[in-house]
Amino acid sequence: EDQVTQSPEALRLQEGESSSLNCSYTVSGLRGLFWYRQDPGKGPEFLFTLYSAGEEKEKERLKATLTKKESFLHITAPKPEDSATYLCAVQFDRGSTLGRLYFGRGTQLTVWP
Amino acid sequence: GAGVSQSPRYKVAKRGQDVALRCDPISGHVSLFWYQQALGQGPEFLTYFQNEAQLDKSGLPSDRFFAERPEGSVSTLKIQRTQQEDSAVYLCASSLAGGLMNTEAFFGQGTRLTVV
Repeated sequence: EDQVTQSPEALRLQEGESSSLNCSYTVSGLRGLFWYRQDPGKGPEFLFTLYSAGEEKEKERLKATLTKKESFLHITAPKPEDSATYLCAVQFDRGSTLGRLYFGRGTQLTVWP
Repeated sequence: GAGVSQSPRYKVAKRGQDVALRCDPISGHVSLFWYQQALGQGPEFLTYFQNEAQLDKSGLPSDRFFAERPEGSVSTLKIQRTQQEDSAVYLCASSLAGGLMNTEAFFGQGTRLTVV
């Protein structure tokens, strides 16, 4: 059973068309939730860390929010260069490897001009 | 270096061959992780080092997989007698702190392993 679920799997947006990506997790005891961007053939690039419900972080056209069981990555007026796979990962407050990340499968975002 | 460096970027191995994948973490980073990423999937945890100590190897899929970080810096992931199901991208990540501190992990570009 997946502990981290991302939706949608794929999203196509026209340039300027705002939308949101979702990340939900099932295990209790969240230590931190991370958003990464991954371009084809490259490693994940860190975007945000969120630690507690109600927290929000922004970077350029991206805004990440966190509730008790899910996070949203809002993309405002996207541009073609925002096209990438967006990965969500969580760290749980249990076990010995507290830095271990549990990833979702990602949302593949395509922004066309 | 400026970031996490992995080599080689691409590796083609014949089934049954042994391979070694190298990771140079960011200088001074205590924690080092290896992940495996299959096509169209998110990365899956393999193993974790805090300095030279391998504290968690629960994600290694079989005893053919072995990782080391002898001096607490460079790490090597070795796969013996490779099989086709080992084909994937192997990602290395490092973070500044170890133990209970929660810091962002920086990833390398990965090594794409193809077993033929």
